[in-house]
Amino acid sequence: EPEVTQTPSHQVTQMGQEVILRCVPISNHLYFYWYRQILGQKVEFLVSFYNNEISEKSEIFDDQFSVERPDGSNFTLKIRSTKLEDSAMYFCASSVQGRENEQFFGPGTRLTVL
Amino acid sequence: AQSVTQLDSQVPVFEEAPVELRCNYSSSVSVYLFWYVQYPNQGLQLLLKYLSGSTLVKGINGFEAEFNKSQTSFHLRKPSVHISDTAEYFCAVSGGYNKLIFGAGTRLAVHP
Repeated sequence: EPEVTQTPSHQVTQMGQEVILRCVPISNHLYFYWYRQILGQKVEFLVSFYNNEISEKSEIFDDQFSVERPDGSNFTLKIRSTKLEDSAMYFCASSVQGRENEQFFGPGTRLTVL
Repeated sequence: AQSVTQLDSQVPVFEEAPVELRCNYSSSVSVYLFWYVQYPNQGLQLLLKYLSGSTLVKGINGFEAEFNKSQTSFHLRKPSVHISDTAEYFCAVSGGYNKLIFGAGTRLAVHP
């Protein structure tokens, strides 16, 4: 069964460093999303992406964040200058056209900012 | 604006007992509702969804949920739980541009 994959599973970085979290959505999916979950808290929407542009973004998704689909398979989330409060589990999700609400999630990347 | 309230942060239950995890939502437009499960150290897995049609929705692992528009609820039920059902359960509603808005989660702990 096709699934969303994410790399790395765990990323440790120093405050102020740039990180790139990578996702490979399911191959025929056209809608892509990033969510995050701070430890012990609810899952929060960050951004949705369709047709090579951002469809919607949350207040969390400030200028430090960016997303990109650099090729036909990867979908990346970049944090330019990490802060301690960026420590969280980041989930990528994707959905197929016509069933956009049925999102399939990857296993997540745990980001730890020291 | 849409929001989701999960009324119980933790639900302890004995194995083979029935369980109900409660979820209420608020929305000014038509809703799509979801339940996701998160096993320890894993990602989110879709349990079931309500998009339209029958208000009783059946999902994986023997779970079902009932959409109640008048009570704005979407409670999750299972008639007999197993130890392996121990996990965090998230109710979610679909917001604008297909983003999902999640509740705070309910930790289901199944005891032998």
